[in-house]
Formats: sequence, structure tokens, C-alpha cells
Amino acid sequence: GAVVSQHPSWVICKSGTSVKIECRSLDFQATTMFWYRQFPKQSLMLMATSNEGSKATYEQGVEKDKFLINHASLTLSTLTVTSAHPEDSSFYICSAPGDRGHEQYFGPGTRLTVT
Amino acid sequence: GDSVTQMEGPVTLSEEAFLTINCTYTATGYPSLFWYVQYPGEGLQLLLKATKADDKGSNKGFEATYRKETTSFHLEKGSVQVSDSAVYFCALNSLGGYQKVTFGTGTKLQVIP
Repeated sequence: GAVVSQHPSWVICKSGTSVKIECRSLDFQATTMFWYRQFPKQSLMLMATSNEGSKATYEQGVEKDKFLINHASLTLSTLTVTSAHPEDSSFYICSAPGDRGHEQYFGPGTRLTVT
Repeated sequence: GDSVTQMEGPVTLSEEAFLTINCTYTATGYPSLFWYVQYPGEGLQLLLKATKADDKGSNKGFEATYRKETTSFHLEKGSVQVSDSAVYFCALNSLGGYQKVTFGTGTKLQVIP
């Protein structure tokens, strides 16, 4: 089956710094990828839709200047958390739709801790 | 808009007990329905899916039937194991859009020996 990877799986950074998270589709191409945020003991919240070669589409309430998304190729999307603060600490998950459109393939997630 | 409602957890069962996790949905059109599982410390994995009314998805002993008349997709397993302890998410995907997935809030299942 299709595989989506994320890097890093876990990162700790200091408040005020920026962190980049990569999402890769390993054996298929993805013109669209999705970024989710999962709070402890809660469901996934869609943050934005990443579109290859064009600007990302952000969900209401998500700061696009804080969460920068770049989808530079058909297999790579990056999420950069700029000027991170402790409240940005969370589990970030990306996904990509399969060929038939019914299914999403999820990355294993990246746990961000901002100190 | 689309929404998914699933029963709150946590659910605690003894090994070999019968499991039901209720899920109902609201969506425009005819969505595909999914159950995802998240084991401790891991990412989401697709457990099973159904793409049209009356379809039954099944995997690893788990089953769920797409009931259009009741807009439900309840997850069942006849005999749970300790290894089934995880968080289960019901989700839907409305065709024709970005294939965005709408998730329920998740139900934590704990199976005790």
C-alpha cells in the first residue's frame, strides 16, 4: 500500500524559533496533501490543504503566517511553524489521498514540544 | 457541513468481550465511511472502510456496515483482545471535494486481561 512518511518524528525547540516538518509520499505522487493537528485526547483538526505548485488553503482560524506550508514537489510538503510558542506544542499529522480518492494515507505524525 | 459523532470513551472491556462503538454522521451527498485506529505512540491506520450504502467493511475481526437510512457506521468486534487497545476514529470523506476527511472525536478502548 501507499506509504507517507514524516520527519522528524519528534522535535523539541525553544520558544521563538522555527521548526520545519516534512511530509513525503514514498511510492506515489500527491498533488494534494493535508496537514492536521491533534491535541491530547482529542480528534484531528484539519489545518490546511497543501497544493503542489500553488498556495495552500487554510482552514478558518489557522494563521497562515504562522504555519507556512510549501508543496514544492509531487512527493513533498513541508509545514514550518514560525516563532513557535508553547501553545503550538502538539502532534502534527499529514496525509495524502490515494488514487481512487476514497482513502487517505496518513503519516506517522510529528510530536512538537516548544519549551 | 459534514460531521461525525461517535460515542465518548473510554470504553473498558474484558478480553473476549463483544465491542460496539457507535458512529453517526451528517454529510452532503454520499460519503465514504472509515474507521481509523491509533495505537499508543503511533499514527493513524486505516482499519476498514465502506464506500456505499449497505457495504460492510471488515478487517482483523472488526466489522462496520454503512447504514444510509440511519446514517450510521457502528464498529463491532465479537471478541476483543488486549492488543486491540487503542483509540478508534470514525471518519467520512465526501466525494467531489478535496477528499478531506472529517473525523469524529475518537473513542479510547482499553481491553483488560
